[in-house]
Amino acid sequence: DQQVKQNSPSLSVQEGRISILNCDYTNSMFDYFLWYKKYPAEGPTFLISISSIKDKNEDGRFTVFLNKSAKHLSLHIVPSQPGDSAVYFCAARPQGAQKLVFGQGTRLTINP
Amino acid sequence: SAVISQKPSRDICQRGTSLTIQCQVDSQVTMMFWYRQQPGQSLTLIATANQGSEATYESGFVIDKFPISRPNLTFSTLTVSNMSPEDSSIYLCSVEGLVGLEYNEQFFGPGTRLTVL
Repeated sequence: DQQVKQNSPSLSVQEGRISILNCDYTNSMFDYFLWYKKYPAEGPTFLISISSIKDKNEDGRFTVFLNKSAKHLSLHIVPSQPGDSAVYFCAARPQGAQKLVFGQGTRLTINP
Repeated sequence: SAVISQKPSRDICQRGTSLTIQCQVDSQVTMMFWYRQQPGQSLTLIATANQGSEATYESGFVIDKFPISRPNLTFSTLTVSNMSPEDSSIYLCSVEGLVGLEYNEQFFGPGTRLTVL
């Protein structure tokens, strides 16, 4: 039972353009969502988060959008840079819990 | 954020042996967790390490296989017992809730890459 799904295993984007990574969830009890970036041989690095009471959160080049009715969130990176090439994980927290439920990850490649 | 270190960074072990992984944080934190990432898979929570009491395990994980210690607010260990090749994974420590501050984000250590032959 995959409660958090990232349906695109990979994404390739031209440098300078916008990267859009998508995530869907099935559990309506999730109330906090996070995005992590992971380079090979390193642990995941926290990028940006959003509470379920909001629909948008922005931090520099990174913006997360949350559509609760569709149970969908997305991460926008603009402009995309070569250093953004990594695996991106979407994660969700059930209400009242500390555990995180992760998606399968999307490998983003930024082409020069 | 906190600086999190894990030892060892990687190891190759024989079937039937056990390995203890250490996680050290440079600040006191309220919550510490252990995750596993099997090859090509997502991160899966093994357990929450509770200070001074038994860890809280997720469905599918048991204390006999993955004993956990947390003697204080900055340190935890995870042991992978009686290993088999199916235990080959990256094991990750994460923390949340720096003491004195409010955080909702979990921060991860660099991971321990375990290969079981």
